Amino acid sequence: AQKITQTQPGMFVQEKEAVTLDCTYDTSDQSYGLFWYKQPSSGEMIFLIYQGSYDEQNATEGRYSLNFQKARKSANLVISASQLGDSAMYFCAMRDPAGGTSYGKLTFGQGTILTVHP
Amino acid sequence: DAGVIQSPRHEVTEMGQEVTLRCKPISGHDYLFWYRQTMMRGLELLIYFNNNVPIDDSGMPEDRFSAKMPNASFSTLKIQPSEPRDSAVYFCASREFMNTEAFFGQGTRLTVV
Repeated sequence: AQKITQTQPGMFVQEKEAVTLDCTYDTSDQSYGLFWYKQPSSGEMIFLIYQGSYDEQNATEGRYSLNFQKARKSANLVISASQLGDSAMYFCAMRDPAGGTSYGKLTFGQGTILTVHP
Repeated sequence: DAGVIQSPRHEVTEMGQEVTLRCKPISGHDYLFWYRQTMMRGLELLIYFNNNVPIDDSGMPEDRFSAKMPNASFSTLKIQPSEPRDSAVYFCASREFMNTEAFFGQGTRLTVV
């Protein structure tokens, strides 16, 4: 079974600074996908960024970038120029690899609560 | 598109009652997922469908839980009988292809008293 680990229960950052949220995963497969979602206090799940295991470049979406280190099995989310509205829970997730019976299944980590201070 | 639509947003019921949660996925999305979120267990996948067919229901906690997808635009998650430990936020999500992101509904907050 795939496993996603987010070791930081909570993180604090000053407004306008950058912050890195850690995510490591465990898989023996070569083909998989990694996702980051944001869950503000209102409760909805908002997709942020996606990285495929075969993608050569690190994914970027605006102020979000994914620091993908395949050999270390890590997929850390970097938020640049933090804003007060970035305060939320952040989840890392992994899609099960192709070929298995559970292909497509999205397994989530426990999440990291980010607090942005003014 | 209105996104994934779940109803009701909030449900309070008494232990032993039947509860039905509803989901309308985004049109054209072939995959539908039901997740449960609690403080203790985080986000758990309960079941997912591909083209209305259940693919993996290994996350369904027990026989009290059942899910159906009678057509491409509607799915239900039923709990019968409900218990206090079923209290959680239940999310429905849909996606177009396996390599794309899943879009989540607003969730249903279920409280069983």
